[in-house]
Amino acid sequence: NAGVMQNPRHLVRRRGQEARLRCSPMKGHSHVYWYRQLPEEGLKFMVYLQKENIIDESGMPKERFSAEFPKEGPSILRIQQVVRGDSAAYFCASSPAAKATGELFFGEGSRLTVL
Amino acid sequence: GDSVTQMEGPVTLSEEAFLTINCTYTATGYPSLFWYVQYPGEGLQLLLKATKADDKGSNKGFEATYRKETTSFHLEKGSVQVSDSAVYFCALPGDMRFGAGTRLTVKP
Repeated sequence: NAGVMQNPRHLVRRRGQEARLRCSPMKGHSHVYWYRQLPEEGLKFMVYLQKENIIDESGMPKERFSAEFPKEGPSILRIQQVVRGDSAAYFCASSPAAKATGELFFGEGSRLTVL
Repeated sequence: GDSVTQMEGPVTLSEEAFLTINCTYTATGYPSLFWYVQYPGEGLQLLLKATKADDKGSNKGFEATYRKETTSFHLEKGSVQVSDSAVYFCALPGDMRFGAGTRLTVKP
């Protein structure tokens, strides 16, 4: 059973470009969580999604960031007009049940570098 | 809402030293409790868990006991190794905010 798959693992963008990060949850999991981690810092919650629904986006910046989890396909975290401060590792996690009543399963992360 | 308070780091120990990382929780009822570990360059992975009061979770020489009288779930290891250098996160279901974690560095 494959784990949570994130791609790309590394992404380089110039300021003003768009970044798209993809997350395929574990098989059978319908809940996805996105986190951002700056170098040497902790994990910051961004958004929690269920298939076709955003459940909690309280951690998402109000501008330039959006997330979706369509009925088919991976969850996408989209960052428009990237700035240097967006450089970070972005982690996705999934769970089979609502609001993480159990363990979260994490991907290896996508590391975004903005030049 | 449910939340955890975790000892702040960083923690630096010599190899074979004893480790304790404190974690206390606030929760309605008695939820499961987790410790996750993040090794350098990797995502988080579950280290151990306890599903009810007085349970002891253990893995890779680490232990944590779910104590409802002190609402604590402290992580301990009797003899740390260099390979234990990582960031450790205490967590409970329903609180998706992992926070800063505790960075452990073990020196040879």
